[in-house]
Amino acid sequence: KNQVEQSPQSLIILEGKNCTLQCNYTVSPFSNLRWYKQDTGRGPVSLTIMTFSENTKSNGRYTATLDADTKQSSLHITASQLSDSASYICVVSDRGSTLGRLYFGRGTQLTVWP
Amino acid sequence: EADIYQTPRYLVIGTGKKITLECSQTMGHDKMYWYQQDPGMELHLIHYSYGVNSTEKGDLSSESTVSRIRTEHFPLTLESARPSHTSQYLCASTRNTGELFFGEGSRLTVL
Repeated sequence: KNQVEQSPQSLIILEGKNCTLQCNYTVSPFSNLRWYKQDTGRGPVSLTIMTFSENTKSNGRYTATLDADTKQSSLHITASQLSDSASYICVVSDRGSTLGRLYFGRGTQLTVWP
Repeated sequence: EADIYQTPRYLVIGTGKKITLECSQTMGHDKMYWYQQDPGMELHLIHYSYGVNSTEKGDLSSESTVSRIRTEHFPLTLESARPSHTSQYLCASTRNTGELFFGEGSRLTVL
């Protein structure tokens, strides 16, 4: 069964600290993996996309990694800010159609305290 | 910032009422989607469209209906709302890159 599992479910860190969010998937075949950030009461916004051949990709203070062999991805946030408080959603696409079917994780709720 | 808009942002209505959630995008995207999202849960696809006059049901069974008469417009209608329809509804669109652009969401509460 194609699934996307994220951990931890929630996380509280102090401002300025680093953190790492995990995403494990069983989706096959695999096309790409995206991390989205969803602020409370808003729609998700794409942070990064990882394809099969990519291991690491950065977007400012966000760095995503992908291990296609173990089917794991992580999102590392450096020097956290209060504005990083949000839900981070991992979305995996297969190659079953023109767009690819999307499988969503439940998200990690990150809270950054001052 | 994505040019996709949803109205209303918040709606509280009584059981049995008919409601329409509006979604419009100005990016010229052919593909549009409606997702349902409950707190702490993953997004569930309820409807999608790959172009004008093309609509399909998604993975999650829904009593809502959609239409796609114009490329930019993808409204969702509930003929008779029930408390079980209380949820957040997210509209999204994409070209062919796979990146979804989401609206701000419509939070529906049915009393």
